[in-house]
Amino acid sequence: GAGVSQSPRYKVAKRGQDVALRCDPISGHVSLFWYQQALGQGPEFLTYFQNEAQLDKSGLPSDRFFAERPEGSVSTLKIQRTQQEDSAVYLCASSLVVSGPNYEQFFGPGTRLTVL
Amino acid sequence: GDSVTQMEGPVTLSEEAFLTINCTYTATGYPSLFWYVQYPGEGLQLLLKATKADDKGSNKGFEATYRKETTSFHLEKGSVQVSDSAVYFCALDNYGQNFVFGPGTRLSVLP
Repeated sequence: GAGVSQSPRYKVAKRGQDVALRCDPISGHVSLFWYQQALGQGPEFLTYFQNEAQLDKSGLPSDRFFAERPEGSVSTLKIQRTQQEDSAVYLCASSLVVSGPNYEQFFGPGTRLTVL
Repeated sequence: GDSVTQMEGPVTLSEEAFLTINCTYTATGYPSLFWYVQYPGEGLQLLLKATKADDKGSNKGFEATYRKETTSFHLEKGSVQVSDSAVYFCALDNYGQNFVFGPGTRLSVLP
């Protein structure tokens, strides 16, 4: 079965450009997460969806960052007017259940964004 | 807020050496604890987990015990292999919402 997929795998943007990063979670997974991983650091939480509802966006670093999951499956993370400090790997994860002993997040390979 | 601290890397070991990577956490309540591994060029993969105090997670020869009294979840392996070279992340589950990750520890195993 397919895991979490993300596209593009690599994106180079000029400062000021808008970018859109796509995440395809595992089919049937209820929860979807976006994380930002700077070089040499651990992933940091950006936002969380349960089905199509965005339940937490407290990790989004500025109002230039926007995420959506309109039909409760595919999600898009959009960054407007990119800045050099946005350069990072953006990870998507999904989970089948929302809590409990079987709770686990499955991660995609990430999109490496480089802003010049 | 919740946080995870893990030992600084890089850690360099010879094949068949004993491995310990320390992880401690700060959290309210009783989070689940995880170790994820990131092999070169690949995404994060779950290595093992424990959902309550005194639980031991184990996989591929690695193990970690959830110690509530010391708020720790140290990763151990008795005999490492070159193929274990990777970055290891300790994480806690914020009650089914986001994970809180440590900064990662890079392990290099030399033949």
